[in-house]
Amino acid sequence: SQTIHQWPATLVQPVGSPLSLECTVEGTSNPNLYWYRQAAGRGLQLLFYSVGIGQISSEVPQNLSASRPQDRQFILSSKKLLLSDSGFYLCAWSPGPSRQFFGPGTRLTVL
Amino acid sequence: KQEVTQIPAALSVPEGENLVLNCSFTDSAIYNLQWFRQDPGKGLTSLLLIQSSQREQTSGRLNASLDKSSGRSTLYIAASQPGDSATYLCAVTYNTGNQFYFGTGTSLTVIP
Repeated sequence: SQTIHQWPATLVQPVGSPLSLECTVEGTSNPNLYWYRQAAGRGLQLLFYSVGIGQISSEVPQNLSASRPQDRQFILSSKKLLLSDSGFYLCAWSPGPSRQFFGPGTRLTVL
Repeated sequence: KQEVTQIPAALSVPEGENLVLNCSFTDSAIYNLQWFRQDPGKGLTSLLLIQSSQREQTSGRLNASLDKSSGRSTLYIAASQPGDSATYLCAVTYNTGNQFYFGTGTSLTVIP
């Protein structure tokens, strides 16, 4: 069966510090991978998605970036965090435009 | 841009009641529709998936229906329980891309 992991589970970072969140998927190959952000009391905002190694689509302009160095690894990064980057970050995978599966999420607080 | 709307934003019901959550989408040419549950501070858990050719799907006390022509889906929860308290989200996909379009969710509270 497939599983999806995210770490860390929680993170508190000062403004201006770098960020690296990691997501890995097990039990499948060539998945579509997604990063979402969920701000308090708001819906899911798609940040990036990837259909293959090195292929990244960005949905919103921001100071975040994503990379996919391996087939089942998706990384969300920032060089300098802003207060507005605080939120709940969710990674997800799908075998195509069918069903989507989510990781447990990372709670990021920027102080 | 595809838009998905969920009404109501919040719902509070006494335990045992049957309830209906609504999801509407602007482009009816969907590939499929998925209902999720999200507990506070957790990821999303898939509840039901309805393919575009289907009218409904059932899992236990949950029944999801799809009316593509009107751009609507409903999630029916029978005999609600306090453990059903969570946020419920719907998402649609289209076979022209790889994006999932989410509604903003309905926060459900079932009062014991």
